[in-house]
Amino acid sequence: DTAVSQTPKYLVTQMGNDKSIKCEQNLGHDTMYWYKQDSKKFLKIMFSYNNKELIINETVPNRFSPKSPDKAHLNLHINSLELGDSAVYFCASSRSAGELFFGEGSRLTVL
Amino acid sequence: QKEVEQDPGPLSVPEGAIVSLNCTYSNSAFQYFMWYRQYSRKGPELLMYTYSSGNKEDGRFTAQVDKSSKYISLFIRDSQPSDSATYLCAMYSSASKIIFGSGTRLSIRP
Repeated sequence: DTAVSQTPKYLVTQMGNDKSIKCEQNLGHDTMYWYKQDSKKFLKIMFSYNNKELIINETVPNRFSPKSPDKAHLNLHINSLELGDSAVYFCASSRSAGELFFGEGSRLTVL
Repeated sequence: QKEVEQDPGPLSVPEGAIVSLNCTYSNSAFQYFMWYRQYSRKGPELLMYTYSSGNKEDGRFTAQVDKSSKYISLFIRDSQPSDSATYLCAMYSSASKIIFGSGTRLSIRP
């Protein structure tokens, strides 16, 4: 029974396309996150939601739009994909400060 | 200057060795300090969690925090091939933000 699940696990698409990644957690946590991990393994926060409310919005191009329909779900939509968007995107949830539970990641390749 | 600095490695040691992984940070507002382990093609998982200066031990793992020097360490005793992974330090401030180091790739040779 997966705690934090993301779909799809792999995405290969052309530059300029739009894509979405979905995330669901069944842990009952109030806070969810999107992180981006580049090829050098650097994990950078993008967004955080607490009970459907956006609380962290890092310096991310506005082509990236998160959406939280309820506290168990956090989706990420990306418009007009660019080569530099290629990365692994991780969804995470937390119940307390610093204790993150990550999904398996969604590996995005933009050609 | 990055808020959290971590040597990316790679670090390769023989099985049974003691491993020392380190991070330094610049933001004195960080209150909680974590170590995450990430296996290849998987998400990071929490390994150790501390909020005060000093040592915390869990089995073969010891986390050490020195707030005065802004330095944290993770020690792995009796290292095993199954410990081969990328280790990421992470820090949390009251702004609800968790900042990660760049990760150290560790390989334990049988």
